[in-house]
Amino acid sequence: ETGVTQTPRHLVMGMTNKKSLKCEQHLGHNAMYWYKQSAKKPLELMFVYSLEERVENNSVPSRFSPECPNSSHLFLHLHTLQPEDSALYLCASSQVGSTDTQYFGPGTRLTVL
Amino acid sequence: AQSVTQLDSHVSVSEGTPVLLRCNYSSSYSPSLFWYVQHPNKGLQLLLKYTSAATLVKGINGFEAEFKKSETSFHLTKPSAHMSDAAEYFCVVSPFNSGGYQKVTFGTGTKLQVIP
Repeated sequence: ETGVTQTPRHLVMGMTNKKSLKCEQHLGHNAMYWYKQSAKKPLELMFVYSLEERVENNSVPSRFSPECPNSSHLFLHLHTLQPEDSALYLCASSQVGSTDTQYFGPGTRLTVL
Repeated sequence: AQSVTQLDSHVSVSEGTPVLLRCNYSSSYSPSLFWYVQHPNKGLQLLLKYTSAATLVKGINGFEAEFKKSETSFHLTKPSAHMSDAAEYFCVVSPFNSGGYQKVTFGTGTKLQVIP
């Protein structure tokens, strides 16, 4: 596979469930990002990992927990979510130290019941 | 500090007519500028980018954008709209050669409608 892949593409969960979103990049990049895209709101940066270290956490509630085990993989662990957390979650990657672009995955459409 | 303003939240054009999506930016540094497109329920796809080389940038699918420093603008154009261009478009700014991960700022998006 090429580019940035995300699984699952769609997820429906109850507020008491625990689930994880997975992102994998096949571009040899060393920075990865989680974004949240809600209807009628600008894209929100949630977390940034650069060289496998978390370098940004934009006041995201603790019910979202990221994990970056290596430069190719990024997870977003979800637990006790709220209905307002329903959104499209996008993963992106880029190469640190260059002006190169962020490349995005197709997203996971999350619905919290 | 940096910011980006997309001047129109919705643009409607007829198929075969020109497209103009407007973007203004502000940046304390020399910026890199990008346009992305997002089709419904899809991720963001890079259309084109400006990184201090030629001011007129050509992208995929016949789109191009011109960097105008004096006007702090980076408008996206296409000579002739196609039905498949209907999507949401995002203008993005980041510091040029930031030396670290990209601190990008996204615009709020412009939804392009193409009328048959």
